[in-house]
This record gives sequence, structure tokens and C-alpha cells, in this order.
Amino acid sequence: GAVVSQHPSWVICKSGTSVKIECRSLDFQATTMFWYRQFPKQSLMLMATSNEGSKATYEQGVEKDKFLINHASLTLSTLTVTSAHPEDSSFYICSAKLSSGNTIYFGEGSWLTVV
Amino acid sequence: AQSVSQHNHHVILSEAASLELGCNYSYGGTVNLFWYVQYPGQHLQLLLKYFSGDPLVKGIKGFEAEFIKSKFSFNLRKPSVQWSDTAEYFCAVSTTGTASKLTFGTGTRLQVTL
Repeated sequence: GAVVSQHPSWVICKSGTSVKIECRSLDFQATTMFWYRQFPKQSLMLMATSNEGSKATYEQGVEKDKFLINHASLTLSTLTVTSAHPEDSSFYICSAKLSSGNTIYFGEGSWLTVV
Repeated sequence: AQSVSQHNHHVILSEAASLELGCNYSYGGTVNLFWYVQYPGQHLQLLLKYFSGDPLVKGIKGFEAEFIKSKFSFNLRKPSVQWSDTAEYFCAVSTTGTASKLTFGTGTRLQVTL
């Protein structure tokens, strides 16, 4: 199946700093990418939908100024957590939707710990 | 907006027992349905999907799911579970079209004992 790669897998940052997580579709083009957040023992919560070349669409309750999403190319979307706080510590997962179909593939996820 | 509910939060089965995990969704239009599995320490993997056609869908590792449109359900089944099936299972639904997004259920933790 198609491969979606996230980087970094683990990141620790200091409170108040910003951290960027990359999501790449390695062998296909993805017009649409999604960013999810998963709290321990809970389901995935969709944060935003990112479409190549346009502004991301954020879900209700997600601060767009805090979670900056950029989808500059058909194979790369980035999530930047700005002015991170300990409550932002979570598992962030991206997924990419094939431009030619409806199947959605997930990245491995990125653990963010804010200290 | 669509929503997904998974009724069983935690299921414990002995090896060789049969499995059925419930999934219901609410949305009046055409949907695509998915089951994903997350093994301990690993990322989400697609088990199976339904877009159209035969409502009985077969996936990897002996799993299958049946789409019953009248019941808005897409239950996951396996005739005989193995210890290696211990994982978290997520049902998800997306609407069709370019603006579709994937909505997940809360997940069901399956624990298979020897």
C-alpha cells in the first residue's frame, strides 16, 4: 500500500517554543492531508484538513493560530505547534488521501512532549 | 456532520473465540467505511474498506465486515481470533467527494487471552 511518513517520530520541546512535524506521502500524490490528535487511550480527533495550495480547514475548537498547517506540495504537509505548552503534549497523526481515490493512509504518528 | 459510534470499548476473548465489533454511523448520504487497527506501539493500519458493491467486505488477517445500510452499521467480524489480534480497532466513516473527511469512532480495545 501507499506509504505516509512522519518526522520526527519523537520530539521533546521546551514550553513556549515551536515545533514542526512533517507528513510526507512517499509514493503518491495527496491533494488532501489530515491531521489528527490522539490522547492516551482515546480515539483520534480530527484537527484540520489540509488541501494543497490552499488554507487548511480547522475543526471546531482547534486554534488555527496555534496549530499552523502548511500544505505546500502534493507530497508534503507540515504541522507547526506554536508556543507549545505541556497540555499540547500528545500523539499527532497525519493521513493522506490519494488524489485519484478515496483511500486514506496514515503516517506512523509523532509523539510530542512539551516540558 | 457524520458521527461514528462503537459500542464495545473493551472486549476480552479467549483464543479461537469468534469476534464481532459493532460500528454504527449517522449520516444520510453516501459513505465510505473503514476499519483500522492499531497494534501496541504501532501506527494505524487499514484492515478493510467499503466503497460500494458487495456489502460483505473481506480484509487482511481473516477479518471481514458487513455493511448493512438499513441499520447504518458496519460490524467487524473474525471467526477465530488469535493472541496476535490484541489491538485497538477503530471504525471510521467518510463522506464521498472532494470535501470528505474521515471521522473515527472511539475505538474498541480487543484483548485476546491464551
